[in-house]
Amino acid sequence: DAKTTQPPSMDCAEGRAANLPCNHSTISGNEYVYWYRQIHSQGPQYIIHGLKNNETNEMASLIITEDRKSSTLILPHATLRDTAVYYCIALSNSGYALNFGKGTSLLVTP
Amino acid sequence: GAGVSQTPSNKVTEKGKYVELRCDPISGHTALYWYRQSLGQGPEFLIYFQGTGAADDSGLPNDRFFAVRPEGSVSTLKIQRTERGDSAVYLCASSLNMGETQYFGPGTRLLVL
Repeated sequence: DAKTTQPPSMDCAEGRAANLPCNHSTISGNEYVYWYRQIHSQGPQYIIHGLKNNETNEMASLIITEDRKSSTLILPHATLRDTAVYYCIALSNSGYALNFGKGTSLLVTP
Repeated sequence: GAGVSQTPSNKVTEKGKYVELRCDPISGHTALYWYRQSLGQGPEFLIYFQGTGAADDSGLPNDRFFAVRPEGSVSTLKIQRTERGDSAVYLCASSLNMGETQYFGPGTRLLVL
């Protein structure tokens, strides 16, 4: 599965949108982009995933560029409880081993 | 509905002892995964079960580690002759089928003294 690259850390003010970027320039056509987050001392929490089209659910929006080489996870109104490490992972529909990497540590400040 | 559960939540043991970690997947999920997370790192894949069989155990670090899923539901990760380097959070996940979204449990924090 393709390697992903994320910034190590980001800050966001409470109530503002948090935009978390992810680079996956070698992604192949059958690989999905998955986002998970991990709040301190908890297990990873699934957020959203997509293949080509932008996706939205109750937690976040996922914007994937047309060439699929990068994507952005958007938390529209960040709260203090969104402080966590966010992981962007590429996984094919025949794959199963999630490669978490180091993720982005998002700090939401009051 | 109920999510993935793991027991115990914390386990402290002495070097050389045997430990068992249990995972209860989401009901009806056929695929089950174990990961290990060391301090400051992301989770790393250990083993994947489809039904009762271990489809891929390539992530197990050595032969002291073994996992079973005898009835295709609950799984147990077994570690023999524990070493201090085994200290980590052991995470379990399940998915409806292989290739579908994985949902994680809260993990078991293992400390080997």
